[in-house]
Amino acid sequence: DAGVIQSPRHEVTEMGQEVTLRCKPISGHNSLFWYRQTMMRGLELLIYFNNNVPIDDSGMPEDRFSAKMPNASFSTLKIQPSEPRDSAVYFCASSLGTGRKTEAFFGQGTRLTVV
Amino acid sequence: TQLLEQSPQFLSIQEGENLTVYCNSSSVFSSLQWYRQEPGEGPVLLVTVVTGGEVKKLKRLTFQFGDARKDSSLHITAAQTGDTGLYLCAGADTGGFKTIFGAGTRLFVKA
Repeated sequence: DAGVIQSPRHEVTEMGQEVTLRCKPISGHNSLFWYRQTMMRGLELLIYFNNNVPIDDSGMPEDRFSAKMPNASFSTLKIQPSEPRDSAVYFCASSLGTGRKTEAFFGQGTRLTVV
Repeated sequence: TQLLEQSPQFLSIQEGENLTVYCNSSSVFSSLQWYRQEPGEGPVLLVTVVTGGEVKKLKRLTFQFGDARKDSSLHITAAQTGDTGLYLCAGADTGGFKTIFGAGTRLFVKA
């Protein structure tokens, strides 16, 4: 398996623009997570899906952030409008949500810079 | 809210030394994982511990899960420069869906 695939790897955008990050989870995994990592705050869970349904979006910073999972093999995280403080590395991870053996497999991340 | 606290936050040691990093919480987790992250990459799973008191060894790395399943430690024997990286502990909630990460211990092993 190719693992979790994220695109793009790097994104530079101007403040106010819409940004869409993409993720393809590992085939067969039924849970998908979006994380944001910064030096100041570490790895923060933004939202996670189970069987394509959003379970907990309490980590989404504000209404400018939205995430969708239209099918088991694709998810997007959208920021509209983007702000400089959104600059971070965004990771997508997937897992088999089977209780105690929950193990997250991460993509390589998207480094977002908002100028 | 479940929180995981890691200590120390930063550790710089000489090659060949031993070290221990800690992961503590007031919450009980159904399982706990240790990940290692290198610059420009996502975290990579090292080990999962699920039973209170469990000890797992991975070559020079020894992982222990506390009896009450609230804390864990990672011990590295004879550290090598290749061990340099960010070590993250992560706990899965009792529902098994959500993984919470600690802030990490940044390890630098000098030659």
